[in-house]
Amino acid sequence: DSGVTQTPKHLITATGQRVTLRCSPRSGDLSVYWYQQSLDQGLQFLIQYYNGEERAKGNILERFSAQQFPDLHSELNLSSLELGDSALYFCASSVGSASGRDTQYFGPGTRLTVL
Amino acid sequence: EDQVTQSPEALRLQEGESSSLNCSYTVSGLRGLFWYRQDPGKGPEFLFTLYSAGEEKEKERLKATLTKKESFLHITAPKPEDSATYLCAVQAWGWAGNMLTFGGGTRLMVKP
Repeated sequence: DSGVTQTPKHLITATGQRVTLRCSPRSGDLSVYWYQQSLDQGLQFLIQYYNGEERAKGNILERFSAQQFPDLHSELNLSSLELGDSALYFCASSVGSASGRDTQYFGPGTRLTVL
Repeated sequence: EDQVTQSPEALRLQEGESSSLNCSYTVSGLRGLFWYRQDPGKGPEFLFTLYSAGEEKEKERLKATLTKKESFLHITAPKPEDSATYLCAVQAWGWAGNMLTFGGGTRLMVKP
């Protein structure tokens, strides 16, 4: 158990809908990351937050947004869902050290199925 | 653009048959190279971090090594419970964030 929690475990929804994925980082970690894993693309970085502020953006679609709250939990919002958004979504967290050298620990993931 | 290539894509071993997994990388400046293990439907589990060429780390039957262009994950006398997908990822200097760039993974199957 990495200490990172994600809810829900599974999500089934229809095209055009909007969903929210939630992540709680390990105790003491200030950075939260979101990754998408699909069969054809592998693990892809979406976005990073550090202590409530956006730190870096990857290949995140405009239909997707995220935020990190004062208690450090994070939510990933996916809207106008398409079939191609079906994937595993992982949250990871790290201490966020000043050296930039810290390890990311991953949660169990949320499996999103868009029908 | 940072790139990570893992080979082979899949590897079948007999229990006790040692082998190595390869991770080749291209990065502007390596901040760290990470190895993770992933079981089907689960999140990646952290194994090792390597920071500079020549560095080695060991854990049970696994040993990770790093050169300036690639990393190897050596598996000695594997057991069926070592069956999983092994992921390699790099973190580069020059970014505001700490994103990881992952390779496609090596799916390892160990037969009893």
